[in-house]
Amino acid sequence: GESVGLHLPTLSVQEGDNSIINCAYSNSASDYFIWYKQESGKGPQFIIDIRSNMDKRQGQRVTVLLNKTVKHLSLQIAATQPGDSAVYFCAETEGNNRLAFGKGNQVVVIP
Amino acid sequence: EPEVTQTPSHQVTQMGQEVILRCVPISNHLYFYWYRQILGQKVEFLVSFYNNEISEKSEIFDDQFSVERPDGSNFTLKIRSTKLEDSAMYFCASSESGAGNTIYFGEGSWLTVV
Repeated sequence: GESVGLHLPTLSVQEGDNSIINCAYSNSASDYFIWYKQESGKGPQFIIDIRSNMDKRQGQRVTVLLNKTVKHLSLQIAATQPGDSAVYFCAETEGNNRLAFGKGNQVVVIP
Repeated sequence: EPEVTQTPSHQVTQMGQEVILRCVPISNHLYFYWYRQILGQKVEFLVSFYNNEISEKSEIFDDQFSVERPDGSNFTLKIRSTKLEDSAMYFCASSESGAGNTIYFGEGSWLTVV
């Protein structure tokens, strides 16, 4: 079946460096994509979203890139901080308002 | 900042017992959801709810599960006759409108079935 998945299970990054988290999706009909951050024992926290009619969107220290040609989504975090250590999930809308989550990618920030 | 609140944060229940998980969605939101996350796995969709009825449900959401909006603020998930494999973190979520609208999650209710 169609799915959303992440390439790398764990990313270790030095504090202050930039982080890039990648996500592949296979549902070409998806039109809305979201990145969530989940800290241990907490719920998914919205970071940034992007619609399929865009290829880039910027937030505070974060940028999401969407490449519909290769069905690839990425999250860039600038100047990574210790508080950025978490699991990051990409998700896509599947159907009306049902999110399909990827498996998650652990980011570990090294002080 | 408005947030989705859930109670209890943690519940331990005996196998076969009924559990009700409670949620207060963000006040101006019209769409409500339940998701679950088994330890170490990805977040899975259970059900969406709009206009006092289920709008979509997954294959996980069988007859054991039910949802209700008993009043103007609460949204509940009932799990009848709990099984060991129901142990998971259950997240309530809400959004202002439907498809393509940001979905905000609560902190979760951790259910342990023993």
